Amino acid sequence: DAGVTQSPTHLIKTRGQQVTLRCSPKSGHDTVSWYQQALGQGPQFIFQYYEEEERQRGNFPDRFSGHQFPNYSSELNVNALLLGDSALYLCASSWGDQPQHFGDGTRLSIL
Amino acid sequence: KQEVTQIPAALSVPEGENLVLNCSFTDSAIYNLQWFRQDPGKGLTSLLLIQSSQREQTSGRLNASLDKSSGRSTLYIAASQPGDSATYLCAVMGTNAGKSTFGDGTTLTVKP
Repeated sequence: DAGVTQSPTHLIKTRGQQVTLRCSPKSGHDTVSWYQQALGQGPQFIFQYYEEEERQRGNFPDRFSGHQFPNYSSELNVNALLLGDSALYLCASSWGDQPQHFGDGTRLSIL
Repeated sequence: KQEVTQIPAALSVPEGENLVLNCSFTDSAIYNLQWFRQDPGKGLTSLLLIQSSQREQTSGRLNASLDKSSGRSTLYIAASQPGDSATYLCAVMGTNAGKSTFGDGTTLTVKP
């Protein structure tokens, strides 16, 4: 049973570019959440998707957007990249009140 | 606004020692609290989940407790091993079962 898978594992971009990160949830999970983790800090909630709708959003600008597909997979898009967007981006999936399961993340570096 | 604090930020113990990691939160209206382990450069591995109606959960050498009234949770690790070395994070989920707020973690080093 595959867990949460994220792609790509590493990505290097320059300021002003756009990036798309992808997440496939654990089998049987219908809810996907995205988090940003800066070095040495805990993850910060970006937003959560359920039934293809954004259900809740954290304190991130509109440059951060997402999508959930009918098969529950999800994408995170970031426009107009800034140096401060360099971080580990984590995807978590869940179902009902069961524990969240996390992927290994995408390491995004902005030059 | 929920705030989660983990103390200490770092902890070093000799192998075999029992230890307690602390997590405190400011808003007691929570849905659940989850403890995670994170190895360097990796994602998060779920250790224990405590629902808001529960007081504790146990898995092997790990025991987590929850006291909503005081806004505190502890993770007890018995007979620590070098393989337990990692960063331990606690996350509090709000009552609408959406956003989780994380602490910055406690980095544990268990020396052989």
